[in-house]
Amino acid sequence: QKEVEQNSGPLSVPEGAIASLNCTYSDRGSQSFFWYRQYSGKSPELIMSIYSNGDKEDGRFTAQLNKASQYVSLLIRDSQPSDSATYLCAGSRGGKLIFGQGTELSVKP
Amino acid sequence: EAQVTQNPRYLITVTGKKLTVTCSQNMNHEYMSWYRQDPGLGLRQIYYSMNVEVTDKGDVPEGYKVSRKEKRNFPLILESPSPNQTSLYFCASGPGYEQYFGPGTRLTVT
Repeated sequence: QKEVEQNSGPLSVPEGAIASLNCTYSDRGSQSFFWYRQYSGKSPELIMSIYSNGDKEDGRFTAQLNKASQYVSLLIRDSQPSDSATYLCAGSRGGKLIFGQGTELSVKP
Repeated sequence: EAQVTQNPRYLITVTGKKLTVTCSQNMNHEYMSWYRQDPGLGLRQIYYSMNVEVTDKGDVPEGYKVSRKEKRNFPLILESPSPNQTSLYFCASGPGYEQYFGPGTRLTVT
């Protein structure tokens, strides 16, 4: 079992819809979690971080963390074609940062 | 401009020829890290450093060396590159786990 798992997708949603991206992790020692967005041919860029149970909202993005169930999710409201990218979930463990394989999101106009 | 720089951006080399990929950040970040990204395997951490003179292994450290003599620089050294080290390499830095990535170095070892 991978330490951080994501569905690779692709996940396709129509423009204006809510995109829901999910991530599970196996190590209960993981403390903090991050969502990165990576456009094709570009570097990953940080979009959200979450450290405690519950929801964290930033503009159209909401990150959710449930440590009891060991899952992290990212909701993108009012999805735009410019949101089409690969979304990487990452969790910290000790000093390390462990990434999932990423979920490819496609937002159709 | 706040940034992480890597050099070179592209490199083709031969098996066994030592190489160094440089990484520098101008944001005074404590944490620096190297990753490799491969199709189907995602982004994997090679080494990280939480401060000057402190380095630790990530998940795939074999075949790589790093050093952190200054806060801003974190070079990645391949003493004897092999074809299985052909990959896209990213350096990143951050005040903690929130990482800011460099532009990447595409390495091909023949």
